[in-house]
Amino acid sequence: AQTVTQSQPEMSVQEAETVTLSCTYDTSESDYYLFWYKQPPSRQMILVIRQEAYKQQNATENRFSVNFQKAAKSFSLKISDSQLGDAAMYFCAYRVFGNEKLTFGTGTRLTIIP
Amino acid sequence: GAGVSQSPSNKVTEKGKDVELRCDPISGHTALYWYRQSLGQGLEFLIYFQGNSAPDKSGLPSDRFSAERTGGSVSTLTIQRTQQEDSAVYLCASSSTGGLTEAFFGQGTRLTVV
Repeated sequence: AQTVTQSQPEMSVQEAETVTLSCTYDTSESDYYLFWYKQPPSRQMILVIRQEAYKQQNATENRFSVNFQKAAKSFSLKISDSQLGDAAMYFCAYRVFGNEKLTFGTGTRLTIIP
Repeated sequence: GAGVSQSPSNKVTEKGKDVELRCDPISGHTALYWYRQSLGQGLEFLIYFQGNSAPDKSGLPSDRFSAERTGGSVSTLTIQRTQQEDSAVYLCASSSTGGLTEAFFGQGTRLTVV
């Protein structure tokens, strides 16, 4: 069974600093997709960034980037120049090619310190 | 509609009662998912609909849970004889196709069983 592990239940960072959220996953599949979702207090999940496993180049979206290490089954999220609006729960998610089910980790609560 | 719409936003029900939660996906999206988010937990997959195919019900926790999707659009998640452990936020998402395609989430229904 595929599992997604987020080992940091809570993280905090000073505004304008950089923070990295960790995610590891367990799978025997070779073709899959990885996602980071943000969930603010409004509860609505928002896609932050996504990565195809066959691509070696790390995905980047403005201040958000990932460090994808396929051999280590690691998919960490780096947030640069942290802003107050980045405060939220962050969930790592995984989907196997050809299967629609998204498997989520337990989340990391990120606090931004002004 | 502009986004995934869920109703009601909040629902309080007495133990043993049946409840229906509604999800209105983004127009044209063929895939629809239901997830459950218990307090302090990640998102637990419940069920997935794709077009006219038989739904993937592998995540439904018991036979008290059922879901249907009428006309390939609106979906209803029904919980019969509710129990206190059913208390959670129920999230619905839709997407146009799988793979790297983004799943758009609604704001969820917070169900409280008293």
